[in-house]
Amino acid sequence: QVQLVESGGGVVQPGRSLRLSCAASGFTFSSFGMHWGRQAPGKGLDWVALVSYDGSKKYYTDSVKGRFTISRDNSKNTLYLEMNSLRAEDTAVYYCMKSGSGWYDLDYWGQGTLVTVSS
Amino acid sequence: QSALTQPRSVSGSPGQSVTISCTGTSSDVGGYNYVSWYQQHPGKAPKLMIYDVIKRPSGVPDRFSGSKSGNTASLTISGLQPEDEADYYCCSYAGSYTLLFGGGTKLTVL
Repeated sequence: QVQLVESGGGVVQPGRSLRLSCAASGFTFSSFGMHWGRQAPGKGLDWVALVSYDGSKKYYTDSVKGRFTISRDNSKNTLYLEMNSLRAEDTAVYYCMKSGSGWYDLDYWGQGTLVTVSS
Repeated sequence: QSALTQPRSVSGSPGQSVTISCTGTSSDVGGYNYVSWYQQHPGKAPKLMIYDVIKRPSGVPDRFSGSKSGNTASLTISGLQPEDEADYYCCSYAGSYTLLFGGGTKLTVL
């Protein structure tokens, strides 16, 4: 069965950095695009970034461009999100998501990891 | 980009049908047949219920159906059951390999 397990969340001061990881299992990781999304406390879902199956193409929502970097290591079945220059508004539960049959449906989600940006 | 527009809440009695709308623009919902819907129970991760406007993943009851007309997509849940009470989010491809979510709709089963 497909499993996505995020880690790396925590409390970080504004302006600092954090790296999230997502360990994938139960499917051929190297064949699917992968996404990061987030949900601020009590708020709705937001899409953050997409990386192609081979890591060669990366796409971001405008609010994180230049600050966040999505990447993957297909030899380790792991997805990453490097977050720099963190702001209070980046506080959220961050979800790792697997692309479905295309790139635009998210057929499996991890349980999420909470990132709190606060001084 | 602004979030897609969904009603804040809808409600229905067990056995009834409800429809949740999701309104965007010709640059997202209206421009592509890549609308998906997600169900989220409190404290849980979202679950894919509908993709590519009308397709249902295996394991999702056929009580859930999707449609689209112009810039508005809809999720219809027929034969409401207590376990359907949850938050529902639409999501659309918005061009340039980006996705856009709706603000979410809280479904209450009376």
